[in-house]
Amino acid sequence: QKEVEQNSGPLSVPEGAIASLNCTYSDRGSQSFFWYRQYSGKSPELIMFIYSNGDKEDGRFTAQLNKASQYVSLLIRDSQPSDAATYLCAVKLNSGNTPLVFGKGTRLSVIA
Amino acid sequence: DAGVIQSPRHEVTEMGQEVTLRCKPISGHDYLFWYRQTMMRGLELLIYFNNNVPIDDSGMPEDRFSAKMPNASFSTLKIQPSEPRDSAVYFCASRETGETQYFGPGTRLLVL
Repeated sequence: QKEVEQNSGPLSVPEGAIASLNCTYSDRGSQSFFWYRQYSGKSPELIMFIYSNGDKEDGRFTAQLNKASQYVSLLIRDSQPSDAATYLCAVKLNSGNTPLVFGKGTRLSVIA
Repeated sequence: DAGVIQSPRHEVTEMGQEVTLRCKPISGHDYLFWYRQTMMRGLELLIYFNNNVPIDDSGMPEDRFSAKMPNASFSTLKIQPSEPRDSAVYFCASRETGETQYFGPGTRLLVL
């Protein structure tokens, strides 16, 4: 059973603070890791992906991957009210053609 | 490109009725996915196609659910007969082999 676990939240952070969203996965064969953002009533949209251990930065977003601990995280620096959404972690078993397995998401609230 | 297109965007029907959801993937994408999203279960993969061929339908909850992809630009998900527990948001997504997965806007289904 391939599982992706996330804390459902809500995670509340003050505006301007760093939001840290965490995800664990069960399948050690997982190769690719994705973070999607979903605003209320909208569809998921890709924020970033990571394949290798370590950090990957894109603007205010940083993805962190630790394959040994089966752990992936998303940091959002200088959190803005527009960041308030549900963040979905998704995992793909290999680099080929398998579908993404999604966690249930963490709801982020940014307090002005 | 217009992105993944889904119709209808909202559907309200009565228990026992047939429901047909439609999806047009992004041109050139060879993978198409049908997901269902509920608060309780999150985003669940129902079925996916590669080059119009169903690859894995193990997520289809019951025989009441069926999906087809008659050509590269069109897919349907049918529920017959529908039940109140089928109420959810149904997303279609597509991607090229090994590339980013894009979601459509979803169909919000309410079965009374």
